[in-house]
Amino acid sequence: EPEVTQTPSHQVTQMGQEVILRCVPISNHLYFYWYRQILGQKVEFLVSFYNNEISEKSEIFDDQFSVERPDGSNFTLKIRSTKLEDSAMYFCASSQQGADNQPQHFGDGTRLSIL
Amino acid sequence: GENVEQHPSTLSVQEGDSAVIKCTYSDSASNYFPWYKQELGKGPQLIIDIRSNVGEKKDQRIAVTLNKTAKHFSLHITETQPEDSAVYFCAALDDKIIFGKGTRLHILP
Repeated sequence: EPEVTQTPSHQVTQMGQEVILRCVPISNHLYFYWYRQILGQKVEFLVSFYNNEISEKSEIFDDQFSVERPDGSNFTLKIRSTKLEDSAMYFCASSQQGADNQPQHFGDGTRLSIL
Repeated sequence: GENVEQHPSTLSVQEGDSAVIKCTYSDSASNYFPWYKQELGKGPQLIIDIRSNVGEKKDQRIAVTLNKTAKHFSLHITETQPEDSAVYFCAALDDKIIFGKGTRLHILP
């Protein structure tokens, strides 16, 4: 069964540095998402992306964050000037069609640790 | 915006018994309700979903019910097995997915 793959599985970064989290969505999917899960808490929506532009974003997704689909397969989340509170699991997801009524398939996440 | 409440936060069930997890949502415009299972070190995996035009859906040992009037939906797992131990998240979707806080399910031998 096709999977969403994320790299790296664990990223350790010094506070203030920039980090790029990478995702390869399922190949025939057109909608892409990033979520965050702080340890022991619920999964929180960050951003959705379709047709090379952001379609929806949460209040968490401020100017520190950006997303990009640099080629036909990768979908990246960039976090600038990382802060301690950015430490979390970051999940990428994709779906064939838009969020309503279409299941989203999640990757296994990148654990981001900010020191 | 949408708000999803999930109960209980922890549930321990004897192997072979049934487990029920309940969720409520606030936005009557929400029309899609997926349930995810998250095992340690893994991402959430979709296990079953239900749309707002359906009241109940079953897939082997797993069933979901939806009461649109009361804005309740529930996950039922029958004949529980050790591999059912995980964290389960309900979610509601209007323009984006809003997750509940999760239920940690322990299946006791």
